[in-house]
Amino acid sequence: RKEVEQDPGPFNVPEGATVAFNCTYSNSASQSFFWYRQDCRKEPKLLMSVYSSGNEDGRFTAQLNRASQYISLLIRDSKLSDSATYLCAGGYGNKLVFGAGTILRVKS
Amino acid sequence: DVKVTQSSRYLVKRTGEKVFLECVQDMDHENMFWYRQDPGLGLRLIYFSYDVKMKEKGDIPEGYSVSREKKERFSLILESASTNQTSMYLCASSRTSGRLEQFFGPGTRLTVL
Repeated sequence: RKEVEQDPGPFNVPEGATVAFNCTYSNSASQSFFWYRQDCRKEPKLLMSVYSSGNEDGRFTAQLNRASQYISLLIRDSKLSDSATYLCAGGYGNKLVFGAGTILRVKS
Repeated sequence: DVKVTQSSRYLVKRTGEKVFLECVQDMDHENMFWYRQDPGLGLRLIYFSYDVKMKEKGDIPEGYSVSREKKERFSLILESASTNQTSMYLCASSRTSGRLEQFFGPGTRLTVL
């Protein structure tokens, strides 16, 4: 079993839709969690950190559920420019383990 | 803003050649990482370094070595390139305390013929 798992998608949604991704992690020692966005043939860029109490940044909301060992990302009012691959990451110590990514395609 | 740079965006080498990939970060980060990214497999950690001259193997170190002589610079070496090392190589850096978020360079797309 992979340490961090994501549904690869693709998620095809219309503009304005709300879409949610989940990511499960198997290492209960993981302490830090993040969502990254990766555009085609580019490097991953940090989208947001995930805090225990949940956090919001504009149209994006991240949640952590330690009991069930998953993190989630909610995108409201999807834009065409949100089309990308979203990677989740979790870790402890100095290392992060990344999921393989979920593809989001927002269509007009 | 954190800036991580990599020496080449695209590289084409022949089987058996020695390949050097260099990464430089300007944020005084202690940790530096080398990953490769392949379709369907995600990011896989090759090596990381938490201090000058220190290194630890990641999940797939075979066929690779690294060098960290200065804090800001982390090099990945393919001693004898093989076709199965054709991939996107990504360097990242992070602090050693507090949040662990990693910042990535633009990547090097290496093709081994």
